[in-house]
Amino acid sequence: EVQLVESGGDLVQPGGSLRLSCAASGFRFSDHYMDWVRQAPGKGLEWVGRARDRAYSYSTELAASVRGRFTISRDDSKNSLSLQMNSLKTEDTAVYYCVRTWTIGGISYADYWGQGTLVTVAS
Amino acid sequence: DIQLTQSPSFLSASVGDRVTITCRASQGISSYLAWYQQEPGKAPKLLLYSASTLQSGVPSRFSGSGSGTEFTLTISSLQPEDFATYYCQQLNSYPLTFGQGTKVEIK
Repeated sequence: EVQLVESGGDLVQPGGSLRLSCAASGFRFSDHYMDWVRQAPGKGLEWVGRARDRAYSYSTELAASVRGRFTISRDDSKNSLSLQMNSLKTEDTAVYYCVRTWTIGGISYADYWGQGTLVTVAS
Repeated sequence: DIQLTQSPSFLSASVGDRVTITCRASQGISSYLAWYQQEPGKAPKLLLYSASTLQSGVPSRFSGSGSGTEFTLTISSLQPEDFATYYCQQLNSYPLTFGQGTKVEIK
């Protein structure tokens, strides 16, 4: 059974930093691109970024709203995905989902989602 | 960035109704579109990918169509468990983007 368990969400002051982790199990982690998606309270879904696999040198993509502040990394030996968040803003307040993607026809779709971890940025 | 606009943003329907949600892209995205269902307090669930392919385990009352800039999600006969919010997502180019969502409520 595919499981994605996020951790690290917390209350942090504006300008602060936080690191989210996602522990994956039940599938070959190294074979999949992984995404982070967030959802502000009462709002819609916002894609945050993607970590590709070893075949693509673990390269990443990030949304413009977080580029330069957030970094995505993965450790295939630990089946773990991370999101380092720096210079946090109040608008970063959201539930952050760790998402497995599944590639078909060269396109990677989000097929499994964790339950999310809440990040609150407030003074 | 590619903008996705869903319509309607909210709809009220009864059990057994046929429901259609539209997702329009600001530029062509071929068939690189997915649909997700999100129940209150839960993580989203993949319903369809490649615009029209049903994800394993998803009931056949869900169907999708379209390519280019206009896409539809249809629920042929609404069931009580289908009352939720639905999102489309484009995977044609980065940044990946979602529609604003369509909330389906009980009439």
